[in-house]
Amino acid sequence: GESVGLHLPTLSVQEGDNSIINCAYSNSASDYFIWYKQESGKGPQFIIDIRSNMDKRQGQRVTVLLNKTVKHLSLQIAATQPGDSAVYFCAEKGAGSGNTGKLIFGQGTTLQVKP
Amino acid sequence: DTAVSQTPKYLVTQMGNDKSIKCEQNLGHDTMYWYKQDSKKFLKIMFSYNNKELIINETVPNRFSPKSPDKAHLNLHINSLELGDSAVYFCASSQGWIGAPLHFGNGTRLTVT
Repeated sequence: GESVGLHLPTLSVQEGDNSIINCAYSNSASDYFIWYKQESGKGPQFIIDIRSNMDKRQGQRVTVLLNKTVKHLSLQIAATQPGDSAVYFCAEKGAGSGNTGKLIFGQGTTLQVKP
Repeated sequence: DTAVSQTPKYLVTQMGNDKSIKCEQNLGHDTMYWYKQDSKKFLKIMFSYNNKELIINETVPNRFSPKSPDKAHLNLHINSLELGDSAVYFCASSQGWIGAPLHFGNGTRLTVT
């Protein structure tokens, strides 16, 4: 079946450094991917999305890279700040979901920012 | 103003009881969802509604029954609660469902004792 996985459950970085959070997906037919940030006690918050016809998309301090050849997605956060500490999820629109909008979430990577 | 609001935030109840969680969104979206997050933070979709019509119904026990009185509201009723139902339940909404980001509420932490 479909799965979305992250390489590391926890990532610890120094404040000011760049962070890279990785995600692997299994379904080559997936055409839409999203990154979410979840802070403690809150719901997931949309960060950035990318469609399969792109390989890179940039936002404010964040960049998402999509490598369809190896089915790999990454989120890069520039100049990581303490407020970036959270759990980060990648999600894909699953194959066969067609018009159902079903998102399949990965397990989550906890980003810890050290001052 | 909270875009997607759920009530209650915490719900503690005993096995066998029936409980409801309410969700409202003021974003004008036409699609709403319920997701369940387990103790390992894994998020899994349960239901989605588009314009009050059920679109997704994952393999969820029929003790769970969603109800959408209008496109701004999606409530979740759970009968005969079991210990394994303990989790955080998130409501979400989106405009359309084909590749649109979901906006989540802050969750309802359900604890069944």
